Amino acid sequence: QLVLTQSPSASASLGASVKLTCTLSSGHSSYAIAWHQQQPEKGPRYLMKLNSDGSHSKGDGIPDRFSGSSSGAERYLTISSLQSEDEADYYCQTWGTGLVFGGGTKLTVL
Amino acid sequence: EVQLVESGGGLVQPGGSLRLSCAASGFTFSSYWMHWVRQAPGKGLVWVSRINSDGSSTSYADSVKGRFTISRDNAKNTLYLQMNSLRAEDTAVYYCQVDTAMASHWGQGTLVTVSS
Repeated sequence: QLVLTQSPSASASLGASVKLTCTLSSGHSSYAIAWHQQQPEKGPRYLMKLNSDGSHSKGDGIPDRFSGSSSGAERYLTISSLQSEDEADYYCQTWGTGLVFGGGTKLTVL
Repeated sequence: EVQLVESGGGLVQPGGSLRLSCAASGFTFSSYWMHWVRQAPGKGLVWVSRINSDGSSTSYADSVKGRFTISRDNAKNTLYLQMNSLRAEDTAVYYCQVDTAMASHWGQGTLVTVSS
């Protein structure tokens, strides 16, 4: 069964970097994913599509501070030079019969 | 610029019906599969349904199968979700979503509240 697993929460200091992880279930390590950001009281916003080889394509207007990488079944979202507006929920998503979402990671900027 | 604008949400009693619409612009609507995704209060994103580009193929989450119907009108660039036999657990913000060649795009969402 295609499942995406994310840690429920993460935190990092203003100006620092943070790396969020999304893990694909066994047998699905070649799947591409997408990362989406959801700021408080707002709708989701597409950040990037991330392939198994680490190549990624970002959405319009997404700052260079956001980058993606891959290793095996793990997909990563790295945010550098953290700003207060980066405090949000981050969801990974892939494509199965429909869309498959991870449970989301709530990022707190300290 | 891709725009997706949902409408049709509101308060409905358990067992009632509602039809959501998603007006699309800024891309060739008839070329792309479309999805509905929902988010219950304080919860994560959950896929609800998808439809292929010409409307001939649909798929549903188990939680809504037999109660919800997705459809589209490519002449009107509009996606629909007919929701019947609504339950309290269907209370959520409903988003339409599309993956174009370059990116994924989301609407702003419409709130459906099922309550007596």
